[in-house]
Amino acid sequence: DAKTTQPNSMESNEEEPVHLPCNHSTISGTDYIHWYRQLPSQGPEYVIHGLTSNVNNRMASLAIAEDRKSSTLILHRATLRDAAVYYCILRASISGAGSYQLTFGKGTKLSVIP
Amino acid sequence: DTEVTQTPKHLVMGMTNKKSLKCEQHMGHRAMYWYKQKAKKPPELMFVYSYEKLSINESVPSRFSPECPNSSLLNLHLHALQPEDSALYLCASSRVGLPTDTQYFGPGTRLTVL
Repeated sequence: DAKTTQPNSMESNEEEPVHLPCNHSTISGTDYIHWYRQLPSQGPEYVIHGLTSNVNNRMASLAIAEDRKSSTLILHRATLRDAAVYYCILRASISGAGSYQLTFGKGTKLSVIP
Repeated sequence: DTEVTQTPKHLVMGMTNKKSLKCEQHMGHRAMYWYKQKAKKPPELMFVYSYEKLSINESVPSRFSPECPNSSLLNLHLHALQPEDSALYLCASSRVGLPTDTQYFGPGTRLTVL
């Protein structure tokens, strides 16, 4: 599976934008880029995904580099509730299984300062 | 309803005990997953069930025995565990078939092996 590299930790002030980077230089042409986050004492939750084009949803935006070797998750206004570990994951297919596993990297721990 | 429920929330067991973890979803998902998460580490995939059949076993020791009795339920039977098996056990579910399918996670069962 292609690997991702993220900073171990980042800090943001409340109500300011946050840009969380992810490098995935060995990404293949069919890998989707997914972001999940894990709030303290909870299971991971889906944030956003994309393939080539930038994507927006109610939680965040995903900016994907033209060569697809990196991406950035953008939280437009960080709140205290956004403090979590954010995982950038490349979605690989399982041959013959029909389901697509998530291989979590170390993630970025985001702290939000009031 | 996008909820995955897991019971119990906490479990303490001795090395000679037999216990089971239970996971349930009613989203009609036909793929279900068990992950193990040690403290301050990312989740690691253990098992994948697709259409109630085991499709992936990530070389998990036989003291962990998964079971998928129907499309809504996933169990993890535990026997003769070791203290190093203490961790958060996460269940997830998703549709089958596309790398864009979101995985929905439960809150986990925090297991302590004495």
